[in-house]
Amino acid sequence: DAKTTQPNSMESNEEEPVHLPCNHSTISGTDYIHWYRQLPSQGPEYVIHGLTSNVNNRMASLAIAEDRKSSTLILHRATLRDAAVYYCILNSGGSNYKLTFGKGTLLTVNP
Amino acid sequence: DADVTQTPRNRITKTGKRIMLECSQTKGHDRMYWYRQDPGLGLRLIYYSFDVKDINKGEISDGYSVSRQAQAKFSLSLESAIPNQTALYFCATRSGGPTGELFFGEGSRLTVL
Repeated sequence: DAKTTQPNSMESNEEEPVHLPCNHSTISGTDYIHWYRQLPSQGPEYVIHGLTSNVNNRMASLAIAEDRKSSTLILHRATLRDAAVYYCILNSGGSNYKLTFGKGTLLTVNP
Repeated sequence: DADVTQTPRNRITKTGKRIMLECSQTKGHDRMYWYRQDPGLGLRLIYYSFDVKDINKGEISDGYSVSRQAQAKFSLSLESAIPNQTALYFCATRSGGPTGELFFGEGSRLTVL
């Protein structure tokens, strides 16, 4: 299974943009890039996913490098409620794909 | 009602006891997963199931077993609990295909004394 690499932690100030990077140099052509986040004392929740083109939804934007070996989750204006662990995972949807998570990035948002 | 329900939410038990964590989902999805979370280690996959007759080991299946009683139910068992199985356990479900998002339960916190 292709793996992802994320920084252990990042820090941001409230109302400023946050760019969370993810490297996935062994990504295959059929892998979708998914992002999840885990708020304190909760289960992870879906944020966004994409294949090749940049994607936007109400929670965030996903910027995917042209060679697809890296991606960036963008929170346009961080709030205190965005403080969480953010996970980047790959999903090929194949019949035996496991959906494994790494350690993620702990985002701290300062008031 | 929650999409994914885990019971119990909290459990304290003793070494050597048998423990079952239950998970049920109302999404109608075929795929179900059990993950374990320890501080600083992220989420690690224990077992996953693509349908009632298809169960697979994940990264850390030793010491655990599972049962897929129905499409909506997936139970995790610790036959003889040990202290290093103290952790937060999450059940999840998703639809098939590469775009299907995972829906997680709220977690079951297990403490083995």
